[in-house]
Amino acid sequence: DVQLVESGGTLVEPGGSLRLTCVASGFTFDDHAMHWVRQTPDKGLEWVSSISWNGYSIGYAPSVKGRFTISRDNAKNSLFLQMTSLRTEDTAFYYCGRAHQRDTASYYDAWGQGTLVTVSS
Amino acid sequence: DIVMTQSPDSLAVSLGERATINCKSSQSVFFTSNKKDYLAWYQQKPGQAPKLLIYWASSRASGVPDRFSGSGSGTDFTLTISSLQAEDVAIYYCQHYYTFPVTFGQGTSVEVK
Repeated sequence: DVQLVESGGTLVEPGGSLRLTCVASGFTFDDHAMHWVRQTPDKGLEWVSSISWNGYSIGYAPSVKGRFTISRDNAKNSLFLQMTSLRTEDTAFYYCGRAHQRDTASYYDAWGQGTLVTVSS
Repeated sequence: DIVMTQSPDSLAVSLGERATINCKSSQSVFFTSNKKDYLAWYQQKPGQAPKLLIYWASSRASGVPDRFSGSGSGTDFTLTISSLQAEDVAIYYCQHYYTFPVTFGQGTSVEVK
């Protein structure tokens, strides 16, 4: 079965840093681009960042560009999101999503269970 | 950015009755070169991640019951649940993937009347 498992979410103070990890199993990881999507009650579902199958094509939402860095390790079937200069508005559930293809914008045919990031003093 | 607007925000439907959710995009998400609409629908139950129901506007994802169907093209799309079951109580989202940033509708909450 396809499985995506996120970890790393926790309470962090404004200005702090955090690294989220998503470990994939049950499919050929490097056949797919991978994305991070976050969800809040106020803003709903919001695309955060994406990375192509080989890591060469990367994109960020304007709200996180310059603060977040997406990466992947295909040998370890893992996706990462390094988050710095965190703001209260970054508080959200963060999901990793599997793209249906190797690159470009996509729908998500598999999602992790999500990890909660809370930015508060 | 392409803005996705769903209507209604919520609806209550009797068991066995039809539920219809609309989604409108601020610009066309139809790609003329491959004649496909870059539109997906998801279902999210409380405490769970979203689950893909429909992609390419009308293709059902694997394992999705055939009471779920998607229609529409260009800027106007519809998700129909032909006969509402108790397990269909959830929030439903549309999403375009025509270009970056992909964006989602605000969600439509479906409950049993």
